[in-house]
Amino acid sequence: SQKIEQNSEALNIQEGKTATLTCNYTNYSPAYLQWYRQDPGRGPVFLLLIRENEKEKRKERLKVTFDTTLKQSLFHITASQPADSATYLCAQDTGRRALTFGSGTRLQVQP
Amino acid sequence: GAGVSQTPSNKVTEKGKYVELRCDPISGHTALYWYRQSLGQGPEFLIYFQGTGAADDSGLPNDRFFAVRPEGSVSTLKIQRTERGDSAVYLCASSPDREVGANVLTFGAGSRLTVL
Repeated sequence: SQKIEQNSEALNIQEGKTATLTCNYTNYSPAYLQWYRQDPGRGPVFLLLIRENEKEKRKERLKVTFDTTLKQSLFHITASQPADSATYLCAQDTGRRALTFGSGTRLQVQP
Repeated sequence: GAGVSQTPSNKVTEKGKYVELRCDPISGHTALYWYRQSLGQGPEFLIYFQGTGAADDSGLPNDRFFAVRPEGSVSTLKIQRTERGDSAVYLCASSPDREVGANVLTFGAGSRLTVL
């Protein structure tokens, strides 16, 4: 069955550094991945979408890369700020419309 | 509306009771989704509506769970004979149902259900 794997351990980094989060997705083609941010007590909020034929996508300080050989997506936040502290969810769209989510990685940016 | 609205935000009930959770999607969004999220986990798919019909209900855990969307807008998730294991945050999302690979979901804040 479909399974999206994210590092369940929290990631702690210092303000100003680059945070890198990993998502391993299932062997479904074509692959489409989405990244969401979730704050405590809130629903997930869409950040970025990347398609299989795209190697990289950027939005302000955010960057997502796609490695179809490794079946892996990396999510980067450059010049991180304490306000970036949240849980980041990776989700895969396999064409059934409903997204399959990973368990998320909690990011804590220390001032 | 401006966003996806879910009510109630919190619901505490006793084991065996019946519960209804309501979702009001973004106006014009044809697709509506229900997810369930337990602490420390990602959202788990329950059911997806396209218009008034349930296009995919494969995530409903058992027949105690049922959802409707009679007019293609507001949806209600119904849980019969609640069990303690049903305790979770129930998230609703809607989307304009773009083509595959462009289907971005907008979530509500969720309804936190606690079964005592």
